[in-house]
Amino acid sequence: AAGVIQSPRHLIKEKRETATLKCYPIPRHDTVYWYQQGPGQDPQFLISFYEKMQSDKGSIPDRFSAQQFSDYHSELNMSSLELGDSALYFCASSYTSVSSYEQYFGPGTRLTVT
Amino acid sequence: GEDVEQSLFLSVREGDSSVINCTYTDSSSTYLYWYKQEPGAGLQLLTYIFSNMDMKQDQRLTVLLNKKDKHLSLRIADTQTGDSAIYFCAEAATGANNLFFGTGTRLTVIP
Repeated sequence: AAGVIQSPRHLIKEKRETATLKCYPIPRHDTVYWYQQGPGQDPQFLISFYEKMQSDKGSIPDRFSAQQFSDYHSELNMSSLELGDSALYFCASSYTSVSSYEQYFGPGTRLTVT
Repeated sequence: GEDVEQSLFLSVREGDSSVINCTYTDSSSTYLYWYKQEPGAGLQLLTYIFSNMDMKQDQRLTVLLNKKDKHLSLRIADTQTGDSAIYFCAEAATGANNLFFGTGTRLTVIP
């Protein structure tokens, strides 16, 4: 079965640079979620989109923005990167329109800021 | 806000049962989940339970929910070395679908 795809899997950036993370949800899934997991931490919700509209917002810094496109893929844009942004970034998807509450996670993008 | 707590570590012998516990604070949570994370890997959805249920069984996994005490547990029968991982419980936020995760329990299975 198709899973959530994230790219790139690993990314190394320097402080103050920008980064773009991409997420391709499971086919037919209409909701995308972004989570950040710091070293040894639990995942923290950043932001979500349902049918291309922002649906919920968590602890996402103002330096970050995200959107969901017409093909349902999503991108997380991160600017003015800081050392503390180094983390695993997960995308998850679900099929909310059929009241499915199963969220499936991608393999994550490991961002390292030096 | 939501606060989900778990004990950090659990060690069991291969073949024994493991019980991982979780407490949560949002009494209006509709769904509660268990995810498994192996080192350097993503989060694998193991099972979830709707808040009006007391128990759900899926092969070696049994989820028990005590809504009065806001206590969730995951029992893994016949624990195998491949079960060694971090297990996160999570609750769906009130009025939303995003998840609040517990601190994670690192399960170590001793051969």
